[in-house]
Amino acid sequence: SQKIEQNSEALNIQEGKTATLTCNYTNYSPAYLQWYRQDPGRGPVFLLLIRENEKEKRKERLKVTFDTTLKQSLFHITASQPADSATYLCALSRGNAGNMLTFGGGTRLMVKP
Amino acid sequence: DGGITQSPKYLFRKEGQNVTLSCEQNLNHDAMYWYRQDPGQGLRLIYYSQIVNDFQKGDIAEGYSVSREKKESFPLTVTSAQKNPTAFYLCASSTDTRQGADNEQFFGPGTRLTVL
Repeated sequence: SQKIEQNSEALNIQEGKTATLTCNYTNYSPAYLQWYRQDPGRGPVFLLLIRENEKEKRKERLKVTFDTTLKQSLFHITASQPADSATYLCALSRGNAGNMLTFGGGTRLMVKP
Repeated sequence: DGGITQSPKYLFRKEGQNVTLSCEQNLNHDAMYWYRQDPGQGLRLIYYSQIVNDFQKGDIAEGYSVSREKKESFPLTVTSAQKNPTAFYLCASSTDTRQGADNEQFFGPGTRLTVL
């Protein structure tokens, strides 16, 4: 069956450093992958999308990579700030009609001042 | 303001009762989704609808029901048949239902359901 793994342990980093979050998947060949941010008690908010034929995508301080051979996506936040503290979810396309997604469990990021 | 609204934010239910969670969107999106989120777990798909008057079961539909009588509304009923209904429920919508579409999903603020 399809499986998505994100590190369930919280990632603690110092302000100004680069945070790197990992999303691994098995039994999947997603056409694209998305990353979302979720704050406590709120709905996720879309951040970035990367397609299977793209190696890297950037948006301001965010960078996503997609390695279909390793079946892995890395999500980077450079010059991290305490305001970046949140849970980050990766989501993979299901391949059927429409924007159907399967979500990982998320990784909580804590940026300390 | 365009967006998705869910109500209520908190809901308490006694065992054996059915409850209905509201989800409304004014984004003119065709597709709508219901997810359930449990602590430390990802979002799990309950039901989805790609067009008015049509909906499909997701991965964990047992004990739930939905309707899609209007484009902007997609209410979810948690029935007494759902064995462990305490969870955070999220509604989402997206604009494109074509095969291969890759648009993002827009989420509502969620409803936290607690069974007493």
